[in-house]
Amino acid sequence: DGGITQSPKYLFRKEGQNVTLSCEQNLNHDAMYWYRQDPGQGLRLIYYSQIVNDFQKGDIAEGYSVSREKKESFPLTVTSAQKNPTAFYLCASSIGSHRTEKLFFGSGTQLSVL
Amino acid sequence: KQEVTQIPAALSVPEGENLVLNCSFTDSAIYNLQWFRQDPGKGLTSLLLIQSSQREQTSGRLNASLDKSSGRSTLYIAASQPGDSATYLCAVRYNFNKFYFGSGTKLNVKP
Repeated sequence: DGGITQSPKYLFRKEGQNVTLSCEQNLNHDAMYWYRQDPGQGLRLIYYSQIVNDFQKGDIAEGYSVSREKKESFPLTVTSAQKNPTAFYLCASSIGSHRTEKLFFGSGTQLSVL
Repeated sequence: KQEVTQIPAALSVPEGENLVLNCSFTDSAIYNLQWFRQDPGKGLTSLLLIQSSQREQTSGRLNASLDKSSGRSTLYIAASQPGDSATYLCAVRYNFNKFYFGSGTKLNVKP
C-alpha cells in the first residue's frame, strides 16, 4: 500500500539531547512537509521541501533541522535548542500544483521530554 | 497575515442529526481548501478538496461548500453516526506553497 510512514510513534527526549523523527513516503510525491501540532491548536509549519536537496524554513523552524537527500525521505531533527519540544509531529507530502495540490499525512510521532 | 478560524471548537449532537461545521479565512486569494478528519493520536485523513473555482464538493454523506468572497467554507454532514466522532480541520492553500490550518472542531455524535 502506498503511504507515508512515520517512526517512531512515541519518542522521549532528555534535556540537551538531539532526536530525529523519520518520515518515508512511497507515493512518489515531490513535496514534503513537517508540521507541529499542540493540543487545541492548528498545525504549524516547521520545514518544507519541494525537491531533493532543497528545503525552506516554515513559520517555526528555530530549534529544528531537516535534510532531503532522497525523494522518499525527509527526516526531522529536534535539536537541544528547541526548548519546548513536547508536541505531536506530523509529516505530509503533496501532489498536484496550485489549485489541485492535495496534502497526505502520516500517522504522527508524539515527542515528550523526560 | 493569513488566519483560519473554526467555530465552534467543540460540538455534541445526537445520532442521526444533520450538522454543519464552519471554516473562515481572512484572505480570499486562496488556491484551494481541504477538509480533514483526525482521530485521537492519529494523522489527518483528507475528506474533500475544493478548488478556488469550485462552489462545492460531495463525497457520500459529506458536502463541502466554498464562498471565497465571504471567506467561508462549510462542511455538511448528513445523518451523523457515532463513527463520525473526531476532530475536523480545514486547511487553506495560498499561492506560496503554504497551507494554513484552523484549530479544528471536535465533534461528538452520541448514540
